[in-house]
Amino acid sequence: NAGVTQTPKFRILKIGQSMTLQCTQDMNHNYMYWYRQDPGMGLKLIYYSVGAGITDKGEVPNGYNVSRSTTEDFPLRLELAAPSQTSVYFCASTPQGEGRAEAFFGQGTRLTVV
Amino acid sequence: GNSVTQMEGPVTLSEEAFLTINCTYTATGYPSLFWYVQYPGEGLQLLLKATKADDKGSNKGFEATYRKETTSFHLEKGSVQVSDSAVYFCALNRGSQGNLIFGKGTKLSVKP
Repeated sequence: NAGVTQTPKFRILKIGQSMTLQCTQDMNHNYMYWYRQDPGMGLKLIYYSVGAGITDKGEVPNGYNVSRSTTEDFPLRLELAAPSQTSVYFCASTPQGEGRAEAFFGQGTRLTVV
Repeated sequence: GNSVTQMEGPVTLSEEAFLTINCTYTATGYPSLFWYVQYPGEGLQLLLKATKADDKGSNKGFEATYRKETTSFHLEKGSVQVSDSAVYFCALNRGSQGNLIFGKGTKLSVKP
């Protein structure tokens, strides 16, 4: 039972480079999310999606883009990496948006921009 | 707006000690409340939740009660183990989008 899978686990980028963080889930969840976790700051929502073809901005979307072409996949794109994007990124999914549902998280991607 | 405040860490306890991690929230309406745990090198996983006032969530010896009058959801465990060492996040959810609003996390270290 894979759940939510993120790749890569670690990455070092140079300033100005671009990359895509991959996220896939096998639970047929409609709702998916990207969060970033900075030391001592909890998790902040970057983008979310309520279903294939639908995405929306969260609290900290600047410098990121997303797409949702299938129910399973929700990649996060960094176009011009900046040191401020050094963080740990978590993808999550829930079966529906109603507030009581448990969120399932991937293991995270630790990104360093130098 | 919606927010979660939890006690600053790190918290260091001896095995079998009593644990309390305080969590208070600000939200309109009636949010659901959660505690998530993050073990070293892993993602977050749900520890327990409560969806309405006076509900008590419990799991693995941990408990938390949804107190609307004090807007609190404090996490407690009567006797901690070394294996409980982790970061604990309090969170709320009241949006139709289902996204969570997190506290900053509290790192717990339990010494043998």
